[in-house]
Amino acid sequence: EAEVAQSPRYKITEKSQAVAFWCDPISGHATLYWYRQILGQGPELLVQFQDESVVDDSQLPKDRFSAERLKGVDSTLKIQPAELGDSAMYLCASSLAGDLGAQGEQYFGPGTRLTVT
Amino acid sequence: AQTVTQSQPEMSVQEAETVTLSCTYDTSESDYYLFWYKQPPSRQMILVIRQEAYKQQNATENRFSVNFQKAAKSFSLKISDSQLGDAAMYFCAYGADGLTFGKGTHLIIQP
Repeated sequence: EAEVAQSPRYKITEKSQAVAFWCDPISGHATLYWYRQILGQGPELLVQFQDESVVDDSQLPKDRFSAERLKGVDSTLKIQPAELGDSAMYLCASSLAGDLGAQGEQYFGPGTRLTVT
Repeated sequence: AQTVTQSQPEMSVQEAETVTLSCTYDTSESDYYLFWYKQPPSRQMILVIRQEAYKQQNATENRFSVNFQKAAKSFSLKISDSQLGDAAMYFCAYGADGLTFGKGTHLIIQP
């Protein structure tokens, strides 16, 4: 069964360092999402891509976060510089389409747990 | 902005019994979707059940069913014949343009 792949699974970094996360969506999925999940809370959308274009990045802290999906397939989320408050699980999800109907069911990856010290 | 509230941080149920997880939401939209997601420990989040707001009939997926009360903006999840594998965090989510999640309910299954 096809799955969303993410790496690394765990990352420990010092504050002020740069960190990057990678996501490979399910083949054929045009829509890709990055979420941040702080411990004890539900996921919060950071950015949504439709193919290689950003559809929604209204919750992305653009002074330190960037995301790209250059060829409309895999994606990278970067934080520079990392801050203590960035410690969280970063989840990637993909879907066939960007709506919320049956075509838009989101499949989640295992996540990257980031600890900033 | 839409909000989703899960008022039960943790629930415990005996194996084979029935448990209901609560969720309320706030929206001014008339057309939207509601979801329950399951997040097992150290595993990825998976969709349990979805409900379209325009459908009056409550969604059902095997042992999982919902009680959707649109006027009350309530969307509870009922798990029948609870199994050990049901132990997980359960998140209620509201969707119109994107997904807004609640804080989750930790479900414990007692053997």
